[in-house]
Amino acid sequence: AQSVTQLDSHVSVSEGTPVLLRCNYSSSYSPSLFWYVQHPNKGLQLLLKYTSAATLVKGINGFEAEFKKSETSFHLTKPSAHMSDAAEYFCVVSDPGSGTYKYIFGTGTRLKVLA
Amino acid sequence: EAGVAQSPRYKIIEKRQSVAFWCNPISGHATLYWYQQILGQGPKLLIQFQNNGVVDDSQLPKDRFSAERLKGVDSTLKIQPAKLEDSAVYLCASSLEVGLYTGELFFGEGSRLTVL
Repeated sequence: AQSVTQLDSHVSVSEGTPVLLRCNYSSSYSPSLFWYVQHPNKGLQLLLKYTSAATLVKGINGFEAEFKKSETSFHLTKPSAHMSDAAEYFCVVSDPGSGTYKYIFGTGTRLKVLA
Repeated sequence: EAGVAQSPRYKIIEKRQSVAFWCNPISGHATLYWYQQILGQGPKLLIQFQNNGVVDDSQLPKDRFSAERLKGVDSTLKIQPAKLEDSAVYLCASSLEVGLYTGELFFGEGSRLTVL
């Protein structure tokens, strides 16, 4: 069975400082992993995805994430936060090998960026 | 390429009334999902279609919720009768699986339901 845990429900950073949003997953197969962002009253937008290619994945707006199988983690980072990064972030796991094409969402991390 | 279309964007109803949401996925996408997102929570899968067949509806409250996907394209999600706890955003998503690598989910803007 798949599951995903986002370790922090809220993260606050100052503008210009690094961002770290933590995600751990559980999967019976070789997982695909995603980070989505949701701005207030907006739909979900894909930031980046890991699908068993390079373990360091670069996404949009300067975000990147590293797949670490030994730690079952897929943490999202950004070197320097911008005010526009304030949003809700969701880590998502999928098990393509299971044949069900299910996507399981974490509970979300709300990122606050302080001026 | 047109995205996932959903309507209506907003709906306010009284409890015990009925409501229907419509979704048109990206052309050619075989798999369609309906998620419920309650304020402050992550999306929860309600039902998943592969073409016009149901793959997973284990978390769909079948006493009040129903969904169909006609001809493997458009989908409709219905709630009858609505309860206060159904107030949420209903998200439709579609995906195109290629080989073993799961493609990303493409989301619509969502339909926000308020039950009074």
